[in-house]
Amino acid sequence: GEDVEQSLFLSVREGDSSVINCTYTDSSSTYLYWYKQEPGAGLQLLTYIFSNMDMKQDQRLTVLLNKKDKHLSLRIADTQTGDSAIYFCAERRERGSQGNLIFGKGTKLSVKP
Amino acid sequence: DSGVTQTPKHLITATGQRVTLRCSPRSGDLSVYWYQQSLDQGLQFLIQYYNGEERAKGNILERFSAQQFPDLHSELNLSSLELGDSALYFCASSVGPGTNEQFFGPGTRLTVL
Repeated sequence: GEDVEQSLFLSVREGDSSVINCTYTDSSSTYLYWYKQEPGAGLQLLTYIFSNMDMKQDQRLTVLLNKKDKHLSLRIADTQTGDSAIYFCAERRERGSQGNLIFGKGTKLSVKP
Repeated sequence: DSGVTQTPKHLITATGQRVTLRCSPRSGDLSVYWYQQSLDQGLQFLIQYYNGEERAKGNILERFSAQQFPDLHSELNLSSLELGDSALYFCASSVGPGTNEQFFGPGTRLTVL
């Protein structure tokens, strides 16, 4: 399809791991991104992965990329209440020398104490 | 704080009116992007400028226009406003036109009554 797909909601308990999944659309997309949006705030770039990588780890965040299935996931270890936010997956579709970001609709993560 | 500033934070206006949203990119960034975030459409890319010139166009309506000034700040002009234009409008900036990292401002919430 044409849309970047994400499940809309995820609820976890504090201290557990969260896994947010995303399916993107263009196998030639060069970069895949995870952005976080807290209530009333803009989008904060969390991490990104180049399309020739399978995995990227950054402290509590692990990004896994399955290019064959066009599947991207974000794992947050030891999830805290401060991680409650909407998480957006985005792919960078190349158009010549330009790359435009195409976003999913976002996954709302709720962390229960 | 991403370093990208947007004004105003909130804007309430009536149908048929025209408004201007303003964005100042991070220091040193030459490229500015505009996005619209609405409940039904999600986050959509509108338009990109690089060093004063239009670089890429997304789902931008003909009633909308933008420009980037010599001091690199950008303005998004929305005219003949309709109820459906109510949304959050984000500006993002990056160093160059094809740079993989985009940093988002806090957004302007537009309400059309």
